[in-house]
Amino acid sequence: DAKTTQPNSMESNEEEPVHLPCNHSTISGTDYIHWYRQLPSQGPEYVIHGLTSNVNNRMASLAIAEDRKSSTLILHRATLRDAAVYYCILRGYNQGGKLIFGQGTELSVKP
Amino acid sequence: DTEVTQTPKHLVMGMTNKKSLKCEQHMGHRAMYWYKQKAKKPPELMFVYSYEKLSINESVPSRFSPECPNSSLLNLHLHALQPEDSALYLCASSQTLLQGSSTDTQYFGPGTRLTVL
Repeated sequence: DAKTTQPNSMESNEEEPVHLPCNHSTISGTDYIHWYRQLPSQGPEYVIHGLTSNVNNRMASLAIAEDRKSSTLILHRATLRDAAVYYCILRGYNQGGKLIFGQGTELSVKP
Repeated sequence: DTEVTQTPKHLVMGMTNKKSLKCEQHMGHRAMYWYKQKAKKPPELMFVYSYEKLSINESVPSRFSPECPNSSLLNLHLHALQPEDSALYLCASSQTLLQGSSTDTQYFGPGTRLTVL
């Protein structure tokens, strides 16, 4: 299974943009890049996913490098409610539904 | 409704007890999952069910016994657990296992916090 590398922790100020990086240098051509986050005392929740092109949804944007060896989750205006552990996960073809979580990045947001 | 419910929220059991965790979803999803999460660690996959059949068992000890009685319900039967099995047990569901589309997005419940004495 291809692995991802994320910083252990990041800090942000409220109402400022946050860029959460993820390296996945061994990604294969059929691997999708998924992001989930886990708020304190809750189960993980889906944020966004993509394959090659940049993606936007109401929660965040996903910027994927041209060589696909890295990606960045962008929260456009961080709020206190965005404080969570953010997981970058590669979903391989024929992986049978597996989500293999790495260590994730713990994001703290300062008022 | 994108809710996955899990009961109980908390469970304390002795090593000789038998207990069950329950997970329910009414989104019409046909894939369901059990994960285990130790404190300050990421979730680890235990089991995957697809169309009520066990699809993946990640070499989980037999003291954990999953069951999927119907498409909405997933149980995890616990017997003769060890203190190191104390963890948060998360259930999730997705429309299918089909990778790539939005149908493989997993929705997680809040978990059952299990303590084994």
